[in-house]
Amino acid sequence: AQTVTQSQPEMSVQEAETVTLSCTYDTSESDYYLFWYKQPPSRQMILVIRQEAYKQQNATENRFSVNFQKAAKSFSLKISDSQLGDAAMYFCAYRGRAGGTSYGKLTFGQGTILTVHP
Amino acid sequence: DTGVSQDPRHKITKRGQNVTFRCDPISEHNRLYWYRQTLGQGPEFLTYFQNEAQLEKSRLLSDRFSAERPKGSFSTLEIQRTEQGDSAMYLCASSFSGELFFGEGSRLTVL
Repeated sequence: AQTVTQSQPEMSVQEAETVTLSCTYDTSESDYYLFWYKQPPSRQMILVIRQEAYKQQNATENRFSVNFQKAAKSFSLKISDSQLGDAAMYFCAYRGRAGGTSYGKLTFGQGTILTVHP
Repeated sequence: DTGVSQDPRHKITKRGQNVTFRCDPISEHNRLYWYRQTLGQGPEFLTYFQNEAQLEKSRLLSDRFSAERPKGSFSTLEIQRTEQGDSAMYLCASSFSGELFFGEGSRLTVL
């Protein structure tokens, strides 16, 4: 079974600074997807960024980028120029390959609470 | 609003009562998932539907839990004889073949 571990329960950052959230995972599959989701307080979870395991290039979405190390099974999220609106719980998630028996379901880590200080 | 909607948003019940949650997915999405999220933790998979067929159930889904998706549209999650340990946020998500879109969740408090 796949597992996802986020070892940082809480992180904080000053507005306009950069912060990196860590995630490691365990799987025996070679083809899979990794995601970072953001869950603001009392709000729905939204996708921040995704990475296909077969792609060596790290994904980027505006101020968000990842450092995907497949051999180390590591998938960290870097938030540049942090904004107050980035404050939320962030979840790392794993999904098996399309068409597999995982049916597209996500396995989540425990989450990291990000606080942004003005 | 064309997103995933869940009802009710909050439910307070006494131990032993039955509760039912409803999820309306995005209309063209054929896949529907239920997750449970306890305070400060990541969501845990409960069950998955493809159209009206329930294709996978987690071991977390005890016999007190039942989910349906008649006609492959909305879905219901019923918990019978609720226990205090059932207190959690119940999240619904839908997808067509890729990204999962989540609802805002239904928070259950069992007294």
